[in-house]
Amino acid sequence: DTGVSQDPRHKITKRGQNVTFRCDPISEHNRLYWYRQTLGQGPEFLTYFQNEAQLEKSRLLSDRFSAERPKGSFSTLEIQRTEQGDSAMYLCASSLDYQPQHFGDGTRLSIL
Amino acid sequence: AQTVTQSQPEMSVQEAETVTLSCTYDTSESDYYLFWYKQPPSRQMILVIRQEAYKQQNATENRFSVNFQKAAKSFSLKISDSQLGDAAMYFCAFIQGAQKLVFGQGTRLTINP
Repeated sequence: DTGVSQDPRHKITKRGQNVTFRCDPISEHNRLYWYRQTLGQGPEFLTYFQNEAQLEKSRLLSDRFSAERPKGSFSTLEIQRTEQGDSAMYLCASSLDYQPQHFGDGTRLSIL
Repeated sequence: AQTVTQSQPEMSVQEAETVTLSCTYDTSESDYYLFWYKQPPSRQMILVIRQEAYKQQNATENRFSVNFQKAAKSFSLKISDSQLGDAAMYFCAFIQGAQKLVFGQGTRLTINP
């Protein structure tokens, strides 16, 4: 069990640029979740996958956000035309069915 | 909609003492799970303890225990014999089915040596 891995740990970009984050779940986990956490707040759900199927998306996930999980393994979260309000920690978690979710270290996004 | 409320933004405790963190939640479901997660500064979210709603017995994990009051929709975390390594943000969270976790706002716990 190598844990949930997220890359990069920190991303700094200019407003209007596109960014992509990667999450590698624990290998046998079939469910993968994305959350967003702003400073001093609890994480908020963005979307989740069961295998390669994206089963739910939050209203927080505007049309500038897209997530994929090809082949049911790693996942990517892309933000197009970044805005100041996108600055946050993006957390990935994975689980095996109904078991508790395991979190990665997160990717901190800073928009200049 | 399910909501989770943590009314204590910050708590502090002397090392070796006991502290209780509060959490209330709102749901119309009868079958769900509750969790306490710990997030040390700049480190990943770690599961501390979980409680199945159908179980009346309160969960315990070493120095960590919960007081689950289903009718009152209350789920507090007690940390006994507090240690410096317990300092972190603590989040109460709710889940129904294998879907999204709903988190509270968090409580920052400081341990005074």
